Amino acid sequence: LAKTTQPISMDSYEGQEVNITCSHNNIATNDYITWYQQFPSQGPRFIIQGYKTKVTNEVASLFIPADRKSSTLSLPRVSLSDTAVYYCLVGDPDQTGANNLFFGTGTRLTVIP
Amino acid sequence: DAGVTQSPTHLIKTRGQQVTLRCSPKSGHDTVSWYQQALGQGPQFIFQYYEEEERQRGNFPDRFSGHQFPNYSSELNVNALLLGDSALYLCASSWSGGALGGYTFGSGTRLTVV
Repeated sequence: LAKTTQPISMDSYEGQEVNITCSHNNIATNDYITWYQQFPSQGPRFIIQGYKTKVTNEVASLFIPADRKSSTLSLPRVSLSDTAVYYCLVGDPDQTGANNLFFGTGTRLTVIP
Repeated sequence: DAGVTQSPTHLIKTRGQQVTLRCSPKSGHDTVSWYQQALGQGPQFIFQYYEEEERQRGNFPDRFSGHQFPNYSSELNVNALLLGDSALYLCASSWSGGALGGYTFGSGTRLTVV
């Protein structure tokens, strides 16, 4: 079970780019990196998933270096509505089970007006 | 296309009572996982159901049990409730063929034990 380490909290002003880094030194060959966003009293919401290099969607970008021991979630031009907790998970998507769904403490992002 | 549906949204129970929470997975998903999330903490894995059987279990006592029905919906049962069972209970669904694209979570059931 690949454990992840993230900063506990981050603050950012509206309109800035936010980068949240996750360390996963024990990532396995078949593991993917998945990020979720969670608002208070709601379930986590899938943001982005990647295996290596760079993945981009309409919400965020995910940067993964060659050694895959860390990853960075990049949120462009954040707004107040991006205030949430962000979780980084590492697991093999072909093996459904708890190893895909281990949530750490996450990073609490606060966007300031 | 409906996502994951959980019921009820809120529930208040007394210590020692029993509670049943329900979950309908996203259309096309056949695997259901349950999570407990205490205030200020990340979700903690309780167990996962596939083909009507418990496939994996986290570090939770036997007071927590579940069931999956032929239509893939699921129930979480908690017996002999303790004050510490107060939490947001989340259901996540996925397809057994793989979880590329992540899991889909419901909005949860807020359980308060008094």
